[in-house]
Amino acid sequence: DVKVTQSSRYLVKRTGEKVFLECVQDMDHENMFWYRQDPGLGLRLIYFSYDVKMKEKGDIPEGYSVSREKKERFSLILESASTNQTSMYLCASRRLDGLAYNEQFFGPGTRLTVL
Amino acid sequence: QKEVEQNSGPLSVPEGAIASLNCTYSDRGSQSFFWYRQYSGKSPELIMFIYSNGDKEDGRFTAQLNKASQYVSLLIRDSQPSDSATYLCAVNIGAGGTSYGKLTFGQGTILTVHP
Repeated sequence: DVKVTQSSRYLVKRTGEKVFLECVQDMDHENMFWYRQDPGLGLRLIYFSYDVKMKEKGDIPEGYSVSREKKERFSLILESASTNQTSMYLCASRRLDGLAYNEQFFGPGTRLTVL
Repeated sequence: QKEVEQNSGPLSVPEGAIASLNCTYSDRGSQSFFWYRQYSGKSPELIMFIYSNGDKEDGRFTAQLNKASQYVSLLIRDSQPSDSATYLCAVNIGAGGTSYGKLTFGQGTILTVHP
């Protein structure tokens, strides 16, 4: 059974703290993604990675950074958490082999609250 | 204009009716199209994908694609209360480069099926 796992389901942090969200996939996928999801705004792409140590900005990268040191792991970092980063964060992975119809798999999500 | 737009909803249909969910996209080079279902508090899961013009059927679900009109839809026949969820349209935009594996999501349509 394919799997994308995220380190926490719920996380509460204080303003100014450095926050790490971890994502691991066991499908040997090249692409990994971080989204945030807010009511009425849908899924918004923060960053994605298409290979180890490679990353590209998504639609809303400000205030975030990422790290991909191993193929199976993709980390999202909030350098200094702010209240407007309170959201649901979803990690996803997808095979990149030239087939445009590969499924994208999502992790269970991390609901982050910044106080 | 947003790259992927869905009918705003929310959509409410009676049990047993046909639910029709619509999505338009702006990039004529888009290659493949996905419908994801997301239950409240859960992560998105793939229902079906389509990449050729016409209809594709899977059980009670039919995806329809019209590339000339840049339009993709999802029909749910014999709607059940368990179909109540948010439905996300996603498009594989881009024919090459590092963005090849990236999906662009619409904002989602909330469907409620009432008994």
